[in-house]
Amino acid sequence: DAGVIQSPRHEVTEMGQEVTLRCKPISGHNSLFWYRQTMMRGLELLIYFNNNVPIDDSGMPEDRFSAKMPNASFSTLKIQPSEPRDSAVYFCASSLQGGEQFFGPGTRLTVL
Amino acid sequence: EDQVTQSPEALRLQEGESSSLNCSYTVSGLRGLFWYRQDPGKGPEFLFTLYSAGEEKEKERLKATLTKKESFLHITAPKPEDSATYLCAVHPSGSARQLTFGSGTQLTVLP
Repeated sequence: DAGVIQSPRHEVTEMGQEVTLRCKPISGHNSLFWYRQTMMRGLELLIYFNNNVPIDDSGMPEDRFSAKMPNASFSTLKIQPSEPRDSAVYFCASSLQGGEQFFGPGTRLTVL
Repeated sequence: EDQVTQSPEALRLQEGESSSLNCSYTVSGLRGLFWYRQDPGKGPEFLFTLYSAGEEKEKERLKATLTKKESFLHITAPKPEDSATYLCAVHPSGSARQLTFGSGTQLTVLP
């Protein structure tokens, strides 16, 4: 039984480049969450979707960040342009009807 | 504003030495409190959900309890494989807000 799938697992890019992170939630789950984890700030919710609709994006740091969920099995988090302070581990999680969230393995992003 | 504070930040135990991790929280209303385990380089792994004061849940050597202001994760006779960071999160009620996580307790169990 596949869990949440994220790609890439590691991404190294240069400042100013566009970065796209991808997530496939657990089949049948109707809520999807994007988190960022750093040593300084811990695990922070960026945005979440319910039935493919963005519900709360108040955690998105600034306009450089955007997220989409075109269908129930796919979501992207895009950073354009990227900056060194965006370096972090980005997690995607999914849940069913607001229940417990299941996390993916994360994408470790390094912006040089 | 919802707040979650976990203590201690780090804990080292000898194998078999039981202890407890603390999660103190402040929310206007609690829909649920969650415990997760996170191993290095991996995503958080769900352990427990607690919904009301007095509730307890157990899984192997772990037992989670909940009061109106805090939750404890009790570890009985821990083994080295229990070493991980344990995260607590609250889900407030009455709004669309989602989980607020604490900063975690890094547990090391020495053989």
